[in-house]
Amino acid sequence: NAGVTQTPKFRVLKTGQSMTLLCAQDMNHEYMYWYRQDPGMGLRLIHYSVGEGTTAKGEVPDGYNVSRLKKQNFLLGLESAAPSQTSVYFCASRAPGLFNEQFFGPGTRLTVL
Amino acid sequence: QQQVKQSPQSLIVQKGGIPIINCAYENTAFDYFPWYQQFPGKGPALLIAIRPDVSEKKEGRFTISFNKSAKQFSLHIMDSQPGDSATYFCAASKTDGPDKLIFGTGTRLQVFP
Repeated sequence: NAGVTQTPKFRVLKTGQSMTLLCAQDMNHEYMYWYRQDPGMGLRLIHYSVGEGTTAKGEVPDGYNVSRLKKQNFLLGLESAAPSQTSVYFCASRAPGLFNEQFFGPGTRLTVL
Repeated sequence: QQQVKQSPQSLIVQKGGIPIINCAYENTAFDYFPWYQQFPGKGPALLIAIRPDVSEKKEGRFTISFNKSAKQFSLHIMDSQPGDSATYFCAASKTDGPDKLIFGTGTRLQVFP
């Protein structure tokens, strides 16, 4: 099993450009999450999904959109990138039920110039 | 809003020392407190977790101490090794739902031989 994978690993964008980050998991998990990690701020939840076709806002959703068309995939979109979105983005997945572990992907490092 | 406060920001110890990382939370509804370990260039991985019905949990050289009345919990690493050098994040969540983790800001631990 590959676990949680993320594509791409690195990306550089210019202000105003758009892009989509792809997260895939092969563990048949219902729940999926997108976080951003910034120095000194830990990980902050952007959006999450509790199942195929459902999404919800997290702590810092502004400037991002998500879609969960297939259970195994969770896409994070930036419609008009801003320098403030320069960050490392992590996807995670989890099985429903109490106290289950969130499994994280390897991250995508995004720089917006 | 910082619901989980973590300290110190960085920690340097000699091999064999016992680094201690502290976290405090505000929301009394939190009922799951995991610690994640992150190596450079990798995603976070669950290290150990505790529920508020116990005051201590040990897994190998790692121990969580939990003080419900003070709303504090800490990670102790016994007999620390250079391979423990990583960033450690505490987190908290309410498990009656999608388990949205609220992370602390992280502690960078360096263990010197």
